[in-house]
Amino acid sequence: NAGVTQTPKFQVLKTGQSMTLQCAQDMNHNSMYWYRQDPGMGLRLIYYSASEGTTDKGEVPNGYNVSRLNKREFSLRLESAAPSQTSVYFCASSDWTGSNSPLHFGNGTRLTVT
Amino acid sequence: KQEVTQIPAALSVPEGENLVLNCSFTDSAIYNLQWFRQDPGKGLTSLLLIQSSQREQTSGRLNASLDKSSGRSTLYIAASQPGDSATYLCAVYSGGGADGLTFGKGTHLIIQP
Repeated sequence: NAGVTQTPKFQVLKTGQSMTLQCAQDMNHNSMYWYRQDPGMGLRLIYYSASEGTTDKGEVPNGYNVSRLNKREFSLRLESAAPSQTSVYFCASSDWTGSNSPLHFGNGTRLTVT
Repeated sequence: KQEVTQIPAALSVPEGENLVLNCSFTDSAIYNLQWFRQDPGKGLTSLLLIQSSQREQTSGRLNASLDKSSGRSTLYIAASQPGDSATYLCAVYSGGGADGLTFGKGTHLIIQP
């Protein structure tokens, strides 16, 4: 069972470059999320999509955009990368936002911006 | 704003011991609480989810309890094994969409063989 798949696993960017992080889930979940994890800061929500066709900002949305391409796929785009965006990015999904269903996480994308 | 605290930040114990990890939260008006495990270089794996109406959940050697009124949850690991070494995070859902899910910073657990 694949669960939540993220690509790429590692990426190094120069300041100002752009890239898209891909995420796909095969559990027929309605809700999908993007988090970043930084030492000492814990997990912080960037954007989420409660259902296909909707997206909403989380705690730290500046510098990012998202696209819910279809029910399975939710991508995160950095238009002009900055060193402050060096982090580990996790995609997650759940049956419904706020329901008593657990979150399922991908294995993360480790991004370094120089 | 909900705050979730996990103490201690790190814990090292000999194999075979029973141990308790703690999670506290400031606002008792929660819908559920989840415990996750994170291995190095990996994502989070959900271990247990306790609904607000429940007092505990069990899965194998793991038992999670919830005391909403005091803003506390514990994760009990019985007969610890080296394979239990990981970071354990708790997260509480307070409603209002995905913004309402607040994570603790985790307890890094090492089980010594």
